[in-house]
Amino acid sequence: RKEVEQDPGPFNVPEGATVAFNCTYSNSASQSFFWYRQDCRKEPKLLMSVYSSGNEDGRFTAQLNRASQYISLLIRDSKLSDSATYLCVVGHGGSQGNLIFGKGTKLSVKP
Amino acid sequence: EADIYQTPRYLVIGTGKKITLECSQTMGHDKMYWYQQDPGMELHLIHYSYGVNSTEKGDLSSESTVSRIRTEHFPLTLESARPSHTSQYLCASRGPGRGLVTGELFFGEGSRLTVL
Repeated sequence: RKEVEQDPGPFNVPEGATVAFNCTYSNSASQSFFWYRQDCRKEPKLLMSVYSSGNEDGRFTAQLNRASQYISLLIRDSKLSDSATYLCVVGHGGSQGNLIFGKGTKLSVKP
Repeated sequence: EADIYQTPRYLVIGTGKKITLECSQTMGHDKMYWYQQDPGMELHLIHYSYGVNSTEKGDLSSESTVSRIRTEHFPLTLESARPSHTSQYLCASRGPGRGLVTGELFFGEGSRLTVL
């Protein structure tokens, strides 16, 4: 079983749709959680960190469920520009530990 | 924007040549990483460093080598390039964490290598 698992998609949605991505992780000692966004043929960039209490940034909401060891990302009112691959990233070992990347979920928003 | 730079951005080279991919960051980060990524595929960690004179191999075996003589510089070298080395190589550095929470990872724009 991989340490971080994501549904690879692709998710094909119309503009304005709400879409949710889930990610599960296997290491219960994990302490750091992130969503990164990677556009086609570009480098990954941090979209948002995920906090225990859940957090929101505009149309994006991230939630963490430690008991079930999963992280979610909700995108409301999808835009064409949201089309990208969304990477779930989990860290353990404290600030010295490494980050583990999921394979990513591809989102395609259509007009 | 992150201050991490990779050169060259694109390189097409013949089999057997030695190549060095450069990576520099001006953020003073101790931790630096090299990832390999084929088009449409996942990232694979091939090397990392926690500071000067510290280098470790990552999860994916790679014939490349790295060095860390200065904090800001983390070059990757292939002694004899082969077509199987064709890929995108992404360098990253990580900011300081807080307590148990690790810092953000900043990526360079990548070096796209094609070996003929």
